[in-house]
Amino acid sequence: RKEVEQDPGPFNVPEGATVAFNCTYSNSASQSFFWYRQDCRKEPKLLMSVYSSGNEDGRFTAQLNRASQYISLLIRDSKLSDSATYLCVVNKRTGRRALTFGSGTRLQVQP
Amino acid sequence: NAGVTQTPKFQVLKTGQSMTLQCAQDMNHNSMYWYRQDPGMGLRLIYYSASEGTTDKGEVPNGYNVSRLNKREFSLRLESAAPSQTSVYFCASSESSTGYGYTFGSGTRLTVV
Repeated sequence: RKEVEQDPGPFNVPEGATVAFNCTYSNSASQSFFWYRQDCRKEPKLLMSVYSSGNEDGRFTAQLNRASQYISLLIRDSKLSDSATYLCVVNKRTGRRALTFGSGTRLQVQP
Repeated sequence: NAGVTQTPKFQVLKTGQSMTLQCAQDMNHNSMYWYRQDPGMGLRLIYYSASEGTTDKGEVPNGYNVSRLNKREFSLRLESAAPSQTSVYFCASSESSTGYGYTFGSGTRLTVV
């Protein structure tokens, strides 16, 4: 079983739509949680960190449910420029101290 | 611009050839990482260096070696390239190993024929 699992998509949505991605992680020792964005053939870039209390950054909202070990990302009012792959990322409290990446969910926003 | 610089950006190798991928950061970060990305697999950790002078294996270290030359530089070496090592390789650095503040290089696209 992968440590971080995501639906690969693609999610095809019209401009202005609201779209949500979920991600599950298997290691209860996970400590830090993030969403990264990766454009085609580019390096990943941090979109936002995810906190237990939930956090919002403009049109983006991230939630963490530690009991169920899942993380979500909600994008409101989708823009064409939101088209990308969204990577769910976790870091463990112990052991190998490096980020573990999900395989990503691809979003295509259509005009 | 400050950040992580990887060289080369593209490389084609023949099976059995060796090469070194270079990575340098100018942000005074302590930790550095090498990942590979294959279609449908996400990024997988090859090796990492939590601090200057230390290196540790990641998820997929076989066929690779690394050197943390100094605080700035972390190189990845393929001693005898195999077609299974065809991938996109990303170097990253961070201030600490907590996971916050990762900066990635732009990647090296390697093809082994």
